[in-house]
Amino acid sequence: DIQLTQSPSFLSASVGDRVTITCRASQDISNSLAWYRQEPGKAPRLLIYAASTLQVGVPSRFSGSGSGTEFTLTISSLQPEDFATYYCQQLNSYPSFTFGPGTKVDVK
Amino acid sequence: QVQLQESGPGLVKPSQTLSLTCTVSGGSISSSGHYWTWIRQHPGTGLEWIGYIYYSGTTYYNPSLNSRVTMSVDTSRDQFSLNLSSVTAADTAVYYCARGEDYYDSRGSRLGQYLDYWGQGILVTVSS
Repeated sequence: DIQLTQSPSFLSASVGDRVTITCRASQDISNSLAWYRQEPGKAPRLLIYAASTLQVGVPSRFSGSGSGTEFTLTISSLQPEDFATYYCQQLNSYPSFTFGPGTKVDVK
Repeated sequence: QVQLQESGPGLVKPSQTLSLTCTVSGGSISSSGHYWTWIRQHPGTGLEWIGYIYYSGTTYYNPSLNSRVTMSVDTSRDQFSLNLSSVTAADTAVYYCARGEDYYDSRGSRLGQYLDYWGQGILVTVSS
């Protein structure tokens, strides 16, 4: 099974900061990766799929890059609603479309 | 705008079967290329993909839960359901339903499946 790791696990930042989160896969998954944001008490929201494609309606401050085993999510200017937990997910390899363990972004 | 809503009991006794239903509105559950998916989140932890069902009835389950999971679909009601048998306290979690959408490259090769619409989630506690 493909395992995903994320770094850092926790991140403290301020509104307006540039933030980068990394997701690493245990084997090559090409660009089959998505990023989700989960605000406290809410369901996850899809931000990016295919490693770098912005989902319709998602603000352009979010961007994704990478392929193979290393991927990054960048938020160019952190907004108040971005204090949340971020998950990556691999999208193409059975037996399970596994999620990463999450990165929590909180207020510095 | 597609919306999903989970429903079912919030409390289940150990060894019994957890049964949840997800109602889809704003779109048809019979639309091609969409996989109706269940995910759960244990308290304070990450997300676990449980499996999906296609409108035709085709299913795929996470092997870690495979022997206890059954999914079904009712296209006339735009609903799909999850049954998880022989539950224990370890099955206490927030359960989400979501829509999986396939995406393709320019040559038509399937590249993957992302989850673009989610229900709000329902907390199910397993306790006597």
